[in-house]
Amino acid sequence: DSGVTQTPKHLITATGQRVTLRCSPRSGDLSVYWYQQSLDQGLQFLIQYYNGEERAKGNILERFSAQQFPDLHSELNLSSLELGDSALYFCASSVRSDTQYFGPGTRLTVL
Amino acid sequence: QKEVEQDPGPLSVPEGAIVSLNCTYSNSAFQYFMWYRQYSRKGPELLMYTYSSGNKEDGRFTAQVDKSSKYISLFIRDSQPSDSATYLCAPGDGNQFYFGTGTSLTVIP
Repeated sequence: DSGVTQTPKHLITATGQRVTLRCSPRSGDLSVYWYQQSLDQGLQFLIQYYNGEERAKGNILERFSAQQFPDLHSELNLSSLELGDSALYFCASSVRSDTQYFGPGTRLTVL
Repeated sequence: QKEVEQDPGPLSVPEGAIVSLNCTYSNSAFQYFMWYRQYSRKGPELLMYTYSSGNKEDGRFTAQVDKSSKYISLFIRDSQPSDSATYLCAPGDGNQFYFGTGTSLTVIP
């Protein structure tokens, strides 16, 4: 158990819908990272927050957005969902960027 | 050109074999080199990491970095069935890390 929690574990929704994924980092970790993992693309970095502020941006679509709240939990919002958005979404947290601890992931299925 | 390339395998070896997992990367600015292990689509777990060039050993695992050829390796000695997993390399500059697609390893008892 990494200490990072993610909810929900599974999410099934339809195209065009909007969903919110939630992540609670390990106690004391100020950084939160979001990743998307699909079978053909591997693990893709989406975005990083540090203590409430956006720190780095990766291959995140404009339909996706994230935020980190004062209590350090983070939410990833995915809107206008497409079939291709079906993937595992991981959150990771860290004190230092070189040691990231991953949560169990949220499996999103878009039908 | 992708930031990191990793042979997806699958790789199947008998128990006790020495396993070599490899990645190449393109950005010479990368100084941090991480290896993660991922079981059955669960969250990746950090296995080990090295900074800059050289070797690092941790039990049965050895990570090796050759910055001149932009080549990173993970060696597993005396492989065990419990080592069966997907191994992802992740080089980076300390702020952002780029994950390989992972190599699937099966160790046969």
